[in-house]
Amino acid sequence: DTEVTQTPKHLVMGMTNKKSLKCEQHMGHRAMYWYKQKAKKPPELMFVYSYEKLSINESVPSRFSPECPNSSLLNLHLHALQPEDSALYLCASSQVQQVRNEQFFGPGTRLTVL
Amino acid sequence: TQLLEQSPQFLSIQEGENLTVYCNSSSVFSSLQWYRQEPGEGPVLLVTVVTGGEVKKLKRLTFQFGDARKDSSLHITAAQPGDTGLYLCAGAGGGAGKSTFGDGTTLTVKP
Repeated sequence: DTEVTQTPKHLVMGMTNKKSLKCEQHMGHRAMYWYKQKAKKPPELMFVYSYEKLSINESVPSRFSPECPNSSLLNLHLHALQPEDSALYLCASSQVQQVRNEQFFGPGTRLTVL
Repeated sequence: TQLLEQSPQFLSIQEGENLTVYCNSSSVFSSLQWYRQEPGEGPVLLVTVVTGGEVKKLKRLTFQFGDARKDSSLHITAAQPGDTGLYLCAGAGGGAGKSTFGDGTTLTVKP
């Protein structure tokens, strides 16, 4: 199984809502990532989990809260978002190594904040 | 901070033409990945190059890693409409689990 799945595919939320994005992989990868991507731009790294522990937080606002319940699952909890947070949110996974950081991406969640 | 400059940013060509996309940096990377992303989907890994001077071929796509491991190129021969997408290069080695992405090249191949 070389697939990373993400749910939901689309999400529309108001600025006062709380929602969660979910990501799952069964490739045995111990590194998992959250990225934010705007149209025709490269993915921007948000968080990296390595062996289920948060290893990188790229100064992301606290209204985004990541969680890694186990080695296969990654969540992103959303609260009090702003319209400028509307974007494609991508999850990725990889083996934990520095030389060949080959990442496998999910299809993304298209988030719209009203 | 490691930076990757990708060029051109946009490319629109006719089916059958050849093209080259460049990815340049002043930093050395332990490896470099190329991804292709179609609209509404996540990036898909095409290739990894690791050794300076390495050339890899994937059907009509040829990838090259510079001798100094600071730059890379992607050449597509006889482009087809199915090659349309956002091409991203990403350099590894900037820290545990962190890749530096280029700005991307949006390729449109017209039938």
